Amino acid sequence: SQTIHQWPATLVQPVGSPLSLECTVEGTSNPNLYWYRQAAGRGLQLLFYSVGIGQISSEVPQNLSASRPQDRQFILSSKKLLLSDSGFYLCAWSGDSYNSPLHFGNGTRLTVT
Amino acid sequence: KNQVEQSPQSLIILEGKNCTLQCNYTVSPFSNLRWYKQDTGRGPVSLTIMTFSENTKSNGRYTATLDADTKQSSLHITASQLSDSASYICVVSAGREYGNKLVFGAGTILRVKS
Repeated sequence: SQTIHQWPATLVQPVGSPLSLECTVEGTSNPNLYWYRQAAGRGLQLLFYSVGIGQISSEVPQNLSASRPQDRQFILSSKKLLLSDSGFYLCAWSGDSYNSPLHFGNGTRLTVT
Repeated sequence: KNQVEQSPQSLIILEGKNCTLQCNYTVSPFSNLRWYKQDTGRGPVSLTIMTFSENTKSNGRYTATLDADTKQSSLHITASQLSDSASYICVVSAGREYGNKLVFGAGTILRVKS
């Protein structure tokens, strides 16, 4: 069966520090991969998605970047965190079909202080 | 503008009771509509996915309905349990020509109490 792992679960970082969140998927090959951010009381916001190794699409200009160094690995990064980067970050994967559901990781709660 | 509106924003019900959550959308063109359940501090989990031609879909005690003409969907929970306490998120997918873009509602927070 397919599983998705996302870490760390919580993170407290000072303003200006770098960020690296990692997500890996097991049990499937060539998944579509996504990074979302969830703000309280608002819908999930798509940050990045990838349909293959090295292929990254950015949805919203951010202080963030994403990379896909391996087929089932997706990394969210920042060189210098801002206070506004605080939030709940979710990694997800899906199959290729338009009806394929999203499978989410358990998220990372990031607090920038 | 493509939007998904959910109501109510929050809801409290007694264990064993039924409830219905609403979702109205303006996403066009429409590809499919999804309902997710999100426990506090966890990632959302898929409950149902419905295409244009499907009016009703069930997953255990969860039944989703879709009226593509009025662009409305509902999620009905039967015989609620304490474990149903969660946020329920409605998501609408735009057509393939729009990259199957997903538009998320803000969710309905359900609390089931004993």
